[in-house]
Amino acid sequence: AQSVTQPDIHITVSEGASLELRCNYSYGATPYLFWYVQSPGQGLQLLLKYFSGDTLVQGIKGFEAEFKRSQSSFNLRKPSVHWSDAAEYFCAVGARSSASKIIFGSGTRLSIRP
Amino acid sequence: EAQVTQNPRYLITVTGKKLTVTCSQNMNHEYMSWYRQDPGLGLRQIYYSMNVEVTDKGDVPEGYKVSRKEKRNFPLILESPSPNQTSLYFCASSTRDRGLVAEAFFGQGTRLTVV
Repeated sequence: AQSVTQPDIHITVSEGASLELRCNYSYGATPYLFWYVQSPGQGLQLLLKYFSGDTLVQGIKGFEAEFKRSQSSFNLRKPSVHWSDAAEYFCAVGARSSASKIIFGSGTRLSIRP
Repeated sequence: EAQVTQNPRYLITVTGKKLTVTCSQNMNHEYMSWYRQDPGLGLRQIYYSMNVEVTDKGDVPEGYKVSRKEKRNFPLILESPSPNQTSLYFCASSTRDRGLVAEAFFGQGTRLTVV
């Protein structure tokens, strides 16, 4: 079955520290991938996306993610987090064989320690 | 400004009383969808629409209806709400990239409580 797993429900990092949020997927076809961020009381905003080409993609707010086909992963990274990065982060996957379907992970809540 | 507008933002209703949550987008997107967000479950798709008069079920369609009479509007209808439909609902409209559903633009959400 198609699925997206974000194994970390909640992560706390210190301001200025590096961040990596994990995302693993299980899909029959070649996927395309997204990371979204949801600030409290807000809708979701796209951080970055991967369709093809360079497996390291840059997004907004200083985030990047790397697609690793061999590991079925698309982890989100940021070298130095800011207090304003506290939010919930969702990985999402689409399948090229089913153009109308995007599946979201269950989310990772990020807290920032001052 | 490009946006997806949902109304109302908050709604408390009683079991069995029909309600409609409206959604409108001004980006001329063909693809629109509804999600519900529940703790620990992420976003689950309720219904989607590929274009005007074209709608289809998502993962959790039971108890919901939608219509797409105009490109910009995609209302979500709960004919007889039940407490298990208490949730945070998001409408989204999406671009296409190389024929695939791509970036989704989300509304602010509607927090629905059914008592």
